[in-house]
Amino acid sequence: NAGVTQTPKFRILKIGQSMTLQCTQDMNHNYMYWYRQDPGMGLKLIYYSVGAGITDKGEVPNGYNVSRSTTEDFPLRLELAAPSQTSVYFCASSGVVGEKLFFGSGTQLSVL
Amino acid sequence: GENVEQHPSTLSVQEGDSAVIKCTYSDSASNYFPWYKQELGKRPQLIIDIRSNVGEKKDQRIAVTLNKTAKHFSLHITETQPEDSAVYFCAASIHNDMRFGAGTRLTVKP
Repeated sequence: NAGVTQTPKFRILKIGQSMTLQCTQDMNHNYMYWYRQDPGMGLKLIYYSVGAGITDKGEVPNGYNVSRSTTEDFPLRLELAAPSQTSVYFCASSGVVGEKLFFGSGTQLSVL
Repeated sequence: GENVEQHPSTLSVQEGDSAVIKCTYSDSASNYFPWYKQELGKRPQLIIDIRSNVGEKKDQRIAVTLNKTAKHFSLHITETQPEDSAVYFCAASIHNDMRFGAGTRLTVKP
């Protein structure tokens, strides 16, 4: 099992550009999450999904969108990148609601 | 929503000593309390967790205690080793809403 795979690992965006962070898992988990981690801070939940076709907002959803067309994939979209979105983004999945998160390796995003 | 506070933000101990990290949570409905370890540049990894119907759980050198009445829980690491150096995060979860503390940077000096 590869677990949770995120791409890209690093990305630099200009203000106003758009991009999609990819996340896929091969553990057949229903629950998937996107977190952001600012320097020296904990993780903040952006969006989550409880299964294909179902998504919901977390603590800090503004400026982001998600979709969940399959069990495996949960991409995160930034439409108009802003410097405040400079962060490390982690995708995670779990087989039990709200428990035992398996994290991807993260995407370090800089918006300049 | 749930608010999780974690203390201390940094902790330095001598190898072989014990380390204790404390967290408090605000929502009494939280029912799952994991601890994650994150090494520099790596992903967070679960090291131990506890559910609200349990007061204490131990796994080798690591233990977690939960006081539901006071709404706080703690991570205890005994006989610390240099490889325990990392950032540790506590979290509290209600269904899909898992909130994390700000983290504790633990340094174990040889």
